Amino acid sequence: LAKTTQPISMDSYEGQEVNITCSHNNIATNDYITWYQQFPSQGPRFIIQGYKTKVTNEVASLFIPADRKSSTLSLPRVSLSDTAVYYCLVARGGKLIFGQGTELSVKP
Amino acid sequence: GAVVSQHPSRVICKSGTSVKIECRSLDFQATTMFWYRQFPKQSLMLMATSNEGSKATYEQGVEKDKFLINHASLTLSTLTVTSAHPEDSSFYICSARREGANTGELFFGEGSRLTVL
Repeated sequence: LAKTTQPISMDSYEGQEVNITCSHNNIATNDYITWYQQFPSQGPRFIIQGYKTKVTNEVASLFIPADRKSSTLSLPRVSLSDTAVYYCLVARGGKLIFGQGTELSVKP
Repeated sequence: GAVVSQHPSRVICKSGTSVKIECRSLDFQATTMFWYRQFPKQSLMLMATSNEGSKATYEQGVEKDKFLINHASLTLSTLTVTSAHPEDSSFYICSARREGANTGELFFGEGSRLTVL
C-alpha cells in the first residue's frame, strides 16, 4: 500500500480554516484517499474520501490534484473540539494502513 | 451512522492470564472485521483481518497463537490475548466494513484498553 507522509503536528486558532496536506507519491490507479479523525482513547472516525479533484461534505473538503500524489484536507472554521489526530490513508480494497497522523491543536 | 461496539472498554488482568475482547457490528452485517493495536502517542497498527467463517489473516510479525481471532457470526468477532504479559498492554480497536460504504470507510469501535500487571 502507498506510504503517506503528513506533518506531525499543526497549531491553529478557533475560527480559522485549517489545511492539512498529505503526500502519497506511490498511489496506484485504483487507490482512494481517505481521512480519519481520532480523539484520545477513542476509535478513529471517517471524515471524507476522494479519488480526484474536490470532494466536500458537511465537515470537510478534500482537494486532490490531477497527479493524485498529494491531497489536502480542509477544515473550515475550526473549533476547540476539532483538536485531534488526523490520519491520511490510501485505501486499496478493504485494508487500511495508518501512517503517523497529524496532531492538530486548536487554541482559543 | 453504523455502529461498532467493543466490550470491555477497559480490562486489567494479571500476567499469564487470557483476555477476550468482543467486537460487534450493531446495525449491519460485517463479513470482514479488522483488529488494530495502538500504543500511547503512536499510530494504529493493523494486527489482523477477521473473516466470517474462515481463519483470520495476520499481518507480518503478529503471532497468531498469541492473538486468537474468531469471527463466528456476521456481527461478532473476538480477539483473545493469550497468556498476556505487560508488553501486551495496549489499546485494541476493531473496525468493520459495511456493504455499500465507501472503499476506505471503516466503522471503528470505541476501543478496549488492556492493562496487564
